[in-house]
Amino acid sequence: AQKVTQAQTEISVVEKEDVTLDCVYETRDTTYYLFWYKQPPSGELVFLIRRNSFDEQNEISGRYSWNFQKSTSSFNFTITASQVVDSAVYFCALSEALRRIMRFGAGTRLTVKP
Amino acid sequence: DVKVTQSSRYLVKRTGEKVFLECVQDMDHENMFWYRQDPGLGLRLIYFSYDVKMKEKGDIPEGYSVSREKKERFSLILESASTNQTSMYLCASSPDRGLSNEQFFGPGTRLTVL
Repeated sequence: AQKVTQAQTEISVVEKEDVTLDCVYETRDTTYYLFWYKQPPSGELVFLIRRNSFDEQNEISGRYSWNFQKSTSSFNFTITASQVVDSAVYFCALSEALRRIMRFGAGTRLTVKP
Repeated sequence: DVKVTQSSRYLVKRTGEKVFLECVQDMDHENMFWYRQDPGLGLRLIYFSYDVKMKEKGDIPEGYSVSREKKERFSLILESASTNQTSMYLCASSPDRGLSNEQFFGPGTRLTVL
């Protein structure tokens, strides 16, 4: 069975703080993809990043960075110098090889206060 | 610009009513998905479709059916709405069955069943 766990239900930080959102996954597949999505208050999920199981290089995009570690089955997301506009629900997801469907975690609600 | 639209943002129905949720994508995508989103549970897959007139059950198909008569349109049907189907419903599409494909989401329909 495939499973994605986001243990942090809600996180609240003050603007300019760094924050890390945790994601742990379980899969028996050797080939898989991991994703992060952002859901702002408007409701529409927005794709942020994908990472395949053979590429453990960390990625940085502006204030966002992602740390993928197969040894701990984790794909964590860090926002540096958070801003109020980062307030949203963030979802981690795993793409299942056999049926080609996505498994989502429960989401982490991030609130950034001014 | 990629677009997935859903027929209603908010819907209120009574127990026992038949409810239709419509989703349209303009990207010529092969795959379409219906999820429901509940606090603490993340997104759970109800049904998905890889082609016109094809459908497959997701993780929670009970109480729902779907219809895909045209490539761009995927309808979710609640045959007899119940209060436990009060939820946020999200539609998504993706280009094909590639493992790496991200999904594109609509804005969601918040359904309340009284």
